Amino acid sequence: NAGVTQTPKFQVLKTGQSMTLQCAQDMNHNSMYWYRQDPGMGLRLIYYSASEGTTDKGEVPNGYNVSRLNKREFSLRLESAAPSQTSVYFCASNGTPKGLYEQYFGPGTRLTVT
Amino acid sequence: GQQLNQSPQSMFIQEGEDVSMNCTSSSIFNTWLWYKQDPGEGPVLLIALYKAGELTSNGRLTAQFGITRKDSFLNISASIPSDVGIYFCAGLGPRYGADSWGKFQFGAGTQVVVTP
Repeated sequence: NAGVTQTPKFQVLKTGQSMTLQCAQDMNHNSMYWYRQDPGMGLRLIYYSASEGTTDKGEVPNGYNVSRLNKREFSLRLESAAPSQTSVYFCASNGTPKGLYEQYFGPGTRLTVT
Repeated sequence: GQQLNQSPQSMFIQEGEDVSMNCTSSSIFNTWLWYKQDPGEGPVLLIALYKAGELTSNGRLTAQFGITRKDSFLNISASIPSDVGIYFCAGLGPRYGADSWGKFQFGAGTQVVVTP
């Protein structure tokens, strides 16, 4: 039981390049989330997926797209990276069969856009 | 999402001392979560609370769901050096609409520094 896994752990991009951050959970959770964490800003929600087949915008969705591939996997895509997207990205999931909302985070992806 | 008010922002304490921090909100919550984050790592869930007035412990950690449902508290007793890190709270409100459901609100974190 690995919990929430994310790849890659580190990434450096040039402005304009694209990439996809991968996230997978093995806890049979319904909901999955993508956050970014910046110094002094706390965690900010980019997109979330309340259940398989649905996705919704969070607080800071501009410049990102997501795909809920199946119940386990939720990917985040940067189509044209900008320096403002330099951040630490966390994937999270919650929603146990008992209906309890314990949200678990992955280890993060540290992205630098030059 | 909307930030919760978490205080204090930082604490410098000596080993063996107790630590207290809290989070407050203007709206009510059904769930409070407390996390610890070490440098370069993802947040780790410490305690989950689901009922007003609930008091839950996890080793030397104790958290309480405020009776008004608008606040929560975390205490660390007899601190040790490995307690160093950032602690933050997260809250989830009632299921009252598609726009808000499932979106946690987060505190900005309390930086705990423990000196020998």
